[in-house]
Amino acid sequence: GAVVSQHPSWVICKSGTSVKIECRSLDFQATTMFWYRQFPKQSLMLMATSNEGSKATYEQGVEKDKFLINHASLTLSTLTVTSAHPEDSSFYICSARDTMTGVAFFGQGTRLTVV
Amino acid sequence: RKEVEQDPGPFNVPEGATVAFNCTYSNSASQSFFWYRQDCRKEPKLLMSVYSSGNEDGRFTAQLNRASQYISLLIRDSKLSDSATYLCVVSHSGAGSYQLTFGKGTKLSVIP
Repeated sequence: GAVVSQHPSWVICKSGTSVKIECRSLDFQATTMFWYRQFPKQSLMLMATSNEGSKATYEQGVEKDKFLINHASLTLSTLTVTSAHPEDSSFYICSARDTMTGVAFFGQGTRLTVV
Repeated sequence: RKEVEQDPGPFNVPEGATVAFNCTYSNSASQSFFWYRQDCRKEPKLLMSVYSSGNEDGRFTAQLNRASQYISLLIRDSKLSDSATYLCVVSHSGAGSYQLTFGKGTKLSVIP
C-alpha cells in the first residue's frame, strides 16, 4: 500500500532550539499534506494544511511563525518547530493525500520531547 | 454542531460480538468518507473507504447515508486485535482547497 515516511520518529531537543520534521510520500504524489499534533489520550488536532507550491493554511490558534511549513515538492513537506519549549512536546503526525485516489495516508509520527 | 461527531465510547465488547459505530457530519457537500483505526501511540491507518453503495471488507462493513449525513462501521466476530480507536474522516474540496476532517474517535475494547 501507499507509504508515507516521516522522519525522525523521535527527537529530544533543548529548549530554544529548532527541530525539523520531514514527511515524504514514497510512491504517490501529494498535492496536499496535513500536519497534526496529538497529546496523550487526546484526539488528533489539525495544525495546518500544506499545499504544494503555496503557503500553508493554519488552524486557529496555531502560530505560523513558530510552526514553519514548507511543501516544496509533490512528495515532501517539512514542519519546523522553531524555538521549541517544553509545552511543544507532543506527537506530531503528518498525512499525505494521494492526489490520484483522494485517500490520505499517515506518517509514523514524530515524538518530540523538549527539555 | 461539530463538523464530524462520533460517540467517544469506550465500547467494551466480548470476543465474537458484533459492534457498530456511527458518525455524523455537518457539511452536506462532503465528498469522500473513510474509517481509520489508531492504536495507542501509533499513527492512524486507513481501514476502509466508504462508498455510497456501502462496502464490505471481511468482517468490516461500512455504509454511507447521505440524506441523514452519517456513516457507519460494523465489525462482526470481534477479535482482541480489533481493540483500537476508530476515526471517522470526511473530506471536502472546493475553491482550490481540500479539507480532511477527523472525528475524535470511538474507542473499542474487545475483551476475552
